[in-house]
Amino acid sequence: AQSVTQPDIHITVSEGASLELRCNYSYGATPYLFWYVQSPGQGLQLLLKYFSGDTLVQGIKGFEAEFKRSQSSFNLRKPSVHWSDAAEYFCASSGGYNKLIFGAGTRLAVHP
Amino acid sequence: EADIYQTPRYLVIGTGKKITLECSQTMGHDKMYWYQQDPGMELHLIHYSYGVNSTEKGDLSSESTVSRIRTEHFPLTLESARPSHTSQYLCASSDSRGGTGELFFGEGSRLTVL
Repeated sequence: AQSVTQPDIHITVSEGASLELRCNYSYGATPYLFWYVQSPGQGLQLLLKYFSGDTLVQGIKGFEAEFKRSQSSFNLRKPSVHWSDAAEYFCASSGGYNKLIFGAGTRLAVHP
Repeated sequence: EADIYQTPRYLVIGTGKKITLECSQTMGHDKMYWYQQDPGMELHLIHYSYGVNSTEKGDLSSESTVSRIRTEHFPLTLESARPSHTSQYLCASSDSRGGTGELFFGEGSRLTVL
């Protein structure tokens, strides 16, 4: 069965530090992969997506993610975190039929 | 700019009341979804629709019901609200013609049942 795992429930980084949020997927073929961000009390906003082609994907707000088939991973990165990046981040995959499977989320806290 | 709208954003009601959470999208998407999310927790799919007059239950059992009479409208109803229904409800839509599964979300409706 298709699944998405985000190993880190909570991550704290200092403002200006680099960030990497981990995501592993389980699916027989190459899925469509997404990262969403959710600010408190808000809906989810799409940061970036991977369908095919270049395995390094650029998104909004300075985020990027790299698809690694050999590791079944799609980790999210940002070189320098801003205080406004504090939020909940969800990785998701779609194996088709337009049904998205979400990970449990990683809550990011940013220290000044 | 959001093209999917949820009302109300916040609702506090007493036990036993009937409530309807509204969701509308202006993107012409054929598929629509309702997710339930407790604070700080993951999203659980409770209902989805692949088109007009099509509704299906999601992965998480819910006492709520949905209807899809028009493409753009996907309301969720609780006939008799209970404190256990307190949660955030997120509506989303997608376009099957794209075939990628990307979801577009509303801002959510936070329901508190006293």
